[in-house]
Amino acid sequence: GESVGLHLPTLSVQEGDNSIINCAYSNSASDYFIWYKQESGKGPQFIIDIRSNMDKRQGQRVTVLLNKTVKHLSLQIAATQPGDSAVYFCAEKNSNSGYALNFGKGTSLLVTP
Amino acid sequence: ETGVTQSPTHLIKTRGQQVTLRCSSQSGHNTVSWYQQALGQGPQFIFQYYREEENGRGNFPPRFSGLQFPNYSSELNVNALELDDSALYLCASRMETGDDYEQYFGPGTRLTVT
Repeated sequence: GESVGLHLPTLSVQEGDNSIINCAYSNSASDYFIWYKQESGKGPQFIIDIRSNMDKRQGQRVTVLLNKTVKHLSLQIAATQPGDSAVYFCAEKNSNSGYALNFGKGTSLLVTP
Repeated sequence: ETGVTQSPTHLIKTRGQQVTLRCSSQSGHNTVSWYQQALGQGPQFIFQYYREEENGRGNFPPRFSGLQFPNYSSELNVNALELDDSALYLCASRMETGDDYEQYFGPGTRLTVT
């Protein structure tokens, strides 16, 4: 079936470096994508979203890139801080086919001092 | 904090039992979704409620059922518990007319089935 997945299950970066978390999706009908951050003991927290009519969107210290040709999504975190340590999920949906967000498996980001 | 609360925080049940999990939505949010998150996995959509009726369902059997109350709080009920039901159960609330980025998750209920 269709699925959303992540290339790397874990990522370790030094404080101050930039982080890149990747995500592949397989549903060509997906038109909306979200990145979530989940800290231990908490629910997913919205970071940034992007619609399929865009290929790049920037937020505060974060950038999401969307490549529809190869069905690839990435989250870039600039100047990574210890507070960025968490599990990051990409999620996608087809706005015409219901309400469910389809989440990937997640990448654990560990920021070392 | 998101304004979405869930209870209980942790729960241990025996296979075959029934469980009820509760969610209090953020003020003004009339739509609630429930997700199951197995250890090391991403959340999986169970169902969504709007105006006290289920209006979307994922690939979960009928023994997973829900309720939404007039004050927009909700319950997730699971009958005939199986070991594989052990997971973190998340609820998320938003306005029906809101975008997905305006959906807020609660901290979850950790269910362990033994």
